Amino acid sequence: DAGVIQSPRHEVTEMGQEVTLRCKPISGHNSLFWYRQTMMRGLELLIYFNNNVPIDDSGMPEDRFSAKMPNASFSTLKIQPSEPRDSAVYFCASRSGTSPYNEQFFGPGTRLTVL
Amino acid sequence: AQRVTQPEKLLSVFKGAPVELKCNYSYSGSPELFWYVQYSRQRLQLLLRHISRESIKGFTADLNKGETSFHLKKPFAQEEDSAMYYCALSGDGNKLVFGAGTILRVKS
Repeated sequence: DAGVIQSPRHEVTEMGQEVTLRCKPISGHNSLFWYRQTMMRGLELLIYFNNNVPIDDSGMPEDRFSAKMPNASFSTLKIQPSEPRDSAVYFCASRSGTSPYNEQFFGPGTRLTVL
Repeated sequence: AQRVTQPEKLLSVFKGAPVELKCNYSYSGSPELFWYVQYSRQRLQLLLRHISRESIKGFTADLNKGETSFHLKKPFAQEEDSAMYYCALSGDGNKLVFGAGTILRVKS
């Protein structure tokens, strides 16, 4: 099993452009999480889904950010328009079941640079 | 509100020295605490969880509700312990709230 898959691994874009990050969770996992990692703030939860339904998006910084999970094997995080302060590493994680005791499995991350 | 505080951005120790990575939390209910670790060029992964009361790679962590702490300890640091460590709390909503992380650097 390749684990959680994220693409692209690196993204460099210019301010104002649309950015789409992709995630494929581990097969059979029904919870999916999007995080943002920065040196200043560490790992912040942006949004999470249970069974493809968004449960908590309180961490989404503003309306420029949106996330979808059209099916159990795919999710996207979109930033439109992007700004330099969005530069960070974005992680996707998946988990079996909904219990917080279950381990979250993380993808390799997407390093986003907005110029 | 749920909050996790890791006061040290960087902790540098010599090989063989004891290690203590600090974690304090704020939560009005009964929390579940975790430590996650990210080694260089590897994915973030679970190290240990409070409920299991386990020792992983020589690390232990005890939940102190009076001090609202969940410090990670190891009696003798090894070079391969160098990594980023995140403390995390699960309170409401079946989600994890992470601290800002501490980089542990073990020097030879």
